[in-house]
Amino acid sequence: SQQGEEDPQALSIQEGENATMNCSYKTSINNLQWYRQNSGRGLVHLILIRSNEREKHSGRLRVTLDTSKKSSSLLITASRAADTASYFCATDRKASGTYKYIFGTGTRLKVLA
Amino acid sequence: NAGVTQTPKFQVLKTGQSMTLQCAQDMNHNSMYWYRQDPGMGLRLIYYSASEGTTDKGEVPNGYNVSRLNKREFSLRLESAAPSQTSVYFCASRDASGNTIYFGEGSWLTVV
Repeated sequence: SQQGEEDPQALSIQEGENATMNCSYKTSINNLQWYRQNSGRGLVHLILIRSNEREKHSGRLRVTLDTSKKSSSLLITASRAADTASYFCATDRKASGTYKYIFGTGTRLKVLA
Repeated sequence: NAGVTQTPKFQVLKTGQSMTLQCAQDMNHNSMYWYRQDPGMGLRLIYYSASEGTTDKGEVPNGYNVSRLNKREFSLRLESAAPSQTSVYFCASRDASGNTIYFGEGSWLTVV
């Protein structure tokens, strides 16, 4: 079963608006990461937030983490057409000498110019 | 700097045929992973390898085998392909210091 579930599944906004997507997970984690996937390409790492952190920023990205609710949100401010992509959260689980990373189902973001 | 390289990029198989997806990373990472991505399902972990010579099952291992013969390479084998294995397959490796996962560009597999 999926560890992470993103919502909404799809989001369409105008250029310049903010985009918020959410991720919920089921078990305790060490860290949570967000990835971006352009159509037909591999996933690219955006940002990592550790379980003892509540908020993190990177450029136009802001991530929050609420471990009591087992949820995270990714905010993209002042969106651009180039931000059009799918966004996935990934949570880790320690296993067999390494970490397994379980991905959510993703949010498809479309930014209209 | 190649990162994670997967081959082939595209493949069409007939039901029952076998094939191996190759993956290599040049970042000296210990951990490597194979995922499949189906529409609306996100990525699901097939197998992973913590280090050379070790492999473990992920969420959806049935119908697949893997080999980690050296630190660089982690291959995924379909012994008898089925239409349900039509998917996009991604290989990835993990940077232990930063916990970042680096992905290949994907292999599009169609089983007819």
